[in-house]
Formats: sequence, structure tokens, C-alpha cells
Amino acid sequence: GAGVSQTPSNKVTEKGKYVELRCDPISGHTALYWYRQSLGQGPEFLIYFQGTGAADDSGLPNDRFFAVRPEGSVSTLKIQRTERGDSAVYLCASSPGAVNTGELFFGEGSRLTVL
Amino acid sequence: QQQVKQSPQSLIVQKGGISIINCAYENTAFDYFPWYQQFPGKGPALLIAIRPDVSEKKEGRFTISFNKSAKQFSLHIMDSQPGDSATYFCAANYFGNEKLTFGTGTRLTIIP
Repeated sequence: GAGVSQTPSNKVTEKGKYVELRCDPISGHTALYWYRQSLGQGPEFLIYFQGTGAADDSGLPNDRFFAVRPEGSVSTLKIQRTERGDSAVYLCASSPGAVNTGELFFGEGSRLTVL
Repeated sequence: QQQVKQSPQSLIVQKGGISIINCAYENTAFDYFPWYQQFPGKGPALLIAIRPDVSEKKEGRFTISFNKSAKQFSLHIMDSQPGDSATYFCAANYFGNEKLTFGTGTRLTIIP
């Protein structure tokens, strides 16, 4: 595809359940980012991958959140023991280079609702 | 700590008017200031960006004004059109750091 693809677009789950959100970046983009956007707020950084490795995971709120990118392309954000406060839109972005030198290309997001 | 403060939270402008959105930052290490535009149900998309070595950058109807001493920057949309109705986010970053710090957003509505 031409852009960043995220699945599912919507996910409703119950408190305490496990959730996986998938991101397929633009082909050739080595940098991949996860952001979280709560209602009425700006995107909040979660984690950054350069290739297969998590170069910066300082934005992950706690150890219930984990992300992987095993082959340097598709990434999965994993949330264990979901809480109602985890409800938000999870945005994935990719970039051909450093964020300071150009554009982040965002997907449309995965809207997570925890009941 | 909120490092980028954005105002106003919402803005209504008549078609053809000038829309102005303001941001202020705290971290003097920031050296890259992009603006992102987001339509409902879509991800943010880069609109225009500036670095602190210039005081103004213009791309079509969109202009960023930058005041380094005041640690403020603003987005001006000239001849605002209904298609400009969206949420706008300012952001900031410094070289070597891969996080973009976003403002809280401004919901812009252009009325006929």
C-alpha cells in the first residue's frame, strides 16, 4: 500500500483483556513510531524503532505496554491487562530518516475502547 | 511537564479571513518546529515546518512566524477556506531525539 496501514481500525475489549495492534509502515521506511492520542489531546510519544530494535521506549506508560518489530517492517503494539484509561487512538507513523530532518507519515490509527 | 503550549483550543474564522494559531515552548534545545493538520478519522499530516535560523517561512497560504527570544511560534492561514477546517497541532523536536512533542491542538472551523 501507499501509506501506513493500521489494523484493526477499531477494537473494543473488556478490562483485563490482552490486545494487539498492528502497524504496516511505508515500504523502505526504517524508522517506526507509536503514539497515543487521547480525546482532545495531541499525540503522545510511546516508542521508536530504528530497524528491528526499540531505540527509545521512554514513552511507554508502564510494563503492561510492549512493542515489537521482529523483521524491521511490521510492528505490533501489545497491551496486557487492559484498563479503562488505556482507551485512546493508537497512531503509528513511519519515516525514511530522522524525525528532525523531515516528515512523519501517520496511519489512520487504531481506536481502542476498554469497557 | 507540558513542553509545548498551544492556543486557542478552538477557533472559528470566516471564509477568506486569516486564521492564527499560537504555540509556546519551554525547552531551548528544540530546533525543529513542524505543524501537523488532522482531519476527523485520519492521522496527522505534515503541513509546514520551520527551524530557528529563520523568522518566517511561507508555503502557499500557510506561514509560520518564529520568535526565538520569546520561545513562540505561530501558524497563519491566509484566505482561509472551508477545506481548511481541521485540527492543527504544533510540535517541537531537537536533533538526535526522535520524539515529537505535540501541543494540545486547535480545532479550526471556517464558516461561509
